Amino acid sequence: EAQVTQNPRYLITVTGKKLTVTCSQNMNHEYMSWYRQDPGLGLRQIYYSMNVEVTDKGDVPEGYKVSRKEKRNFPLILESPSPNQTSLYFCASKTGTRDTQYFGPGTRLTVL
Amino acid sequence: GNSVTQMEGPVTLSEEAFLTINCTYTATGYPSLFWYVQYPGEGLQLLLKATKADDKGSNKGFEATYRKETTSFHLEKGSVQVSDSAVYFCALRESGGSNYKLTFGKGTLLTVNP
Repeated sequence: EAQVTQNPRYLITVTGKKLTVTCSQNMNHEYMSWYRQDPGLGLRQIYYSMNVEVTDKGDVPEGYKVSRKEKRNFPLILESPSPNQTSLYFCASKTGTRDTQYFGPGTRLTVL
Repeated sequence: GNSVTQMEGPVTLSEEAFLTINCTYTATGYPSLFWYVQYPGEGLQLLLKATKADDKGSNKGFEATYRKETTSFHLEKGSVQVSDSAVYFCALRESGGSNYKLTFGKGTLLTVNP
């Protein structure tokens, strides 16, 4: 089954404790992206990747890092999480030839 | 920059009622337009899309027409069902460029009562 998976689905952590949210897709998609969803703001792009070893900032990259060492994986790294990063995070992917983006199920992160 | 404005929710309807969720956009060039749906506890799913002016996207009884003259992409369904209860997002992707970033509206929560 074609899908985008994220882990963990839920995470509660404390300020300053490094964490990684994983994202994996099994569709051989070149493009992957991270969004955060906040009430009243919709979804905003954090980072994106056009292919392996090619990443760039989206609209709200501060406090986040990403890497793309393999085509299928695109982890989101929070080196020192802060409470304003409490949000619902979505990973998405697409192939270069089609317009449809596929979204993961989301990761709800709470930073205390 | 690009932006999407969609009607504020929540919207509550009875089963078999007519649905309209308004969406207008601001963008340079000729963006592609999308409606995504988010069911409770799930990620976003593409509902329909349109890539050029006057295109009509349709899926599962939902329709939306790309109106360049009014910069709009309103979502409609003639007879909603309880299973349509979800959050609906209007989005655009600007033409050209290397980032396939979607610019989303804030979302509209739809609740359909039996």
